[in-house]
Amino acid sequence: DIQMTQSPSTLSASVGDRVTITCRASHDISRWLVWYQQKPGRAPKLLIYEASNLQSGVPSRFGGSRSGTQFTLTITNLQPEDSATYYCQQYYSSFWTFGQGTKVEIK
Amino acid sequence: QVQLVQSGAEVKKPGSSVKVSCKASEDTFSSHGISWVRQAPGQGLEWMGGIIPVLDTTNYAPKFHDRVTITADRSTYTAYMEVSSLRSEDTAIYYCARDASITQTYFDSWGQGTLVTVSS
Repeated sequence: DIQMTQSPSTLSASVGDRVTITCRASHDISRWLVWYQQKPGRAPKLLIYEASNLQSGVPSRFGGSRSGTQFTLTITNLQPEDSATYYCQQYYSSFWTFGQGTKVEIK
Repeated sequence: QVQLVQSGAEVKKPGSSVKVSCKASEDTFSSHGISWVRQAPGQGLEWMGGIIPVLDTTNYAPKFHDRVTITADRSTYTAYMEVSSLRSEDTAIYYCARDASITQTYFDSWGQGTLVTVSS
């Protein structure tokens, strides 16, 4: 299985801040990675696909990038409604795996 | 707006089975796959397996291969996920999710989730 390691597990930031979440794959997965946002009691929501493509309807303050096997989700100008847990997921191999999640809290 | 509507919450005894349904649309069944993802209380997301209804092919995570069966009824556009030999660790919210396409298994739409509680 391809392991996905996310960091940090939690972060606290203020409204207007720029935050960065990292996801590292145990093997090369090319650009086949997505990011989801999950709020308490809700199903996950797709934010980014193919490492850096913004899903339709997602605010442009969300962005994704790739460097080798390391992937980054960046939220610029953090908003109160961005308080959530964020997950990465690889879709390179036949068995899709998620990162452990990063909880973003607003100070 | 893609809609996936799941069946209601279940309470099951250890050792029993549970079958969860996911009602989709004709478009979803003809052009997409459906996967099942679970989330134990306070934990992360775990892909269990999926089906491509138009091809009637399934794929399971190794951990679930012997206890999970995923099927699809093309006459009602409903997918099913059955877990057998339930144990307390199977207590979780079970989500169905639509694959973005037949060849792209990330999830662009999700059901509302079904809570399955396993307790004696």
